Amino acid sequence: AQSVAQPEDQVNVAEGNPLTVKCTYSVSGNPYLFWYVQYPNRGLQFLLKYITGDNLVKGSYGFEAEFNKSQTSFHLKKPSALVSDSALYFCAVLRGWLTGGGNKLTFGTGTQLKVEL
Amino acid sequence: EPEVTQTPSHQVTQMGQEVILRCVPISNHLYFYWYRQILGQKVEFLVSFYNNEISEKSEIFDDQFSVERPDGSNFTLKIRSTKLEDSAMYFCASRTNRDNEQFFGPGTRLTVL
Repeated sequence: AQSVAQPEDQVNVAEGNPLTVKCTYSVSGNPYLFWYVQYPNRGLQFLLKYITGDNLVKGSYGFEAEFNKSQTSFHLKKPSALVSDSALYFCAVLRGWLTGGGNKLTFGTGTQLKVEL
Repeated sequence: EPEVTQTPSHQVTQMGQEVILRCVPISNHLYFYWYRQILGQKVEFLVSFYNNEISEKSEIFDDQFSVERPDGSNFTLKIRSTKLEDSAMYFCASRTNRDNEQFFGPGTRLTVL
């Protein structure tokens, strides 16, 4: 069974400082990893994904994530946080790649990011 | 930019009533999903749908739940007899057959009283 863990319920960071939101995964086979962001009363917005290739993946709004196979981690990062980045962030893992009609996403519990002035 | 839409944005119903949540996936997408998020909890997979049939369903998706694609554009989730614990945000998602990125709708907040 696949799973992801987000060990921090909340991360607080000052605007302009770098931010990291942690995610570790457990999956048999190759991991396909995603980050989504959820703003209040909104749906889930795709940020970035890791399928294969470079371990550092760049995504929307200046976010990036680093895939680390030995540590089974996929931490989300941004060099300089903005107040508008404050939202709920979900890490997710996908079982398989285009292997039939299923391919459900399994989400972590989410991390609330709060960026303050 | 094309997007997944969902209606209604908020549905309030009495326990035991039937509800239908509606989604319009992105037009060239072939795979469709329902997820739900109970308040304060993580997003959970309910069901996936492809080629007019269910591909996979979770343990949550019991006989009270059903999905349908009644025409070329809509994708619906029906809960036959709602329970208090069905109160949640329900998200629809869709994707193409060439990419595993799932595009999510804004959600329908279901409140069962």
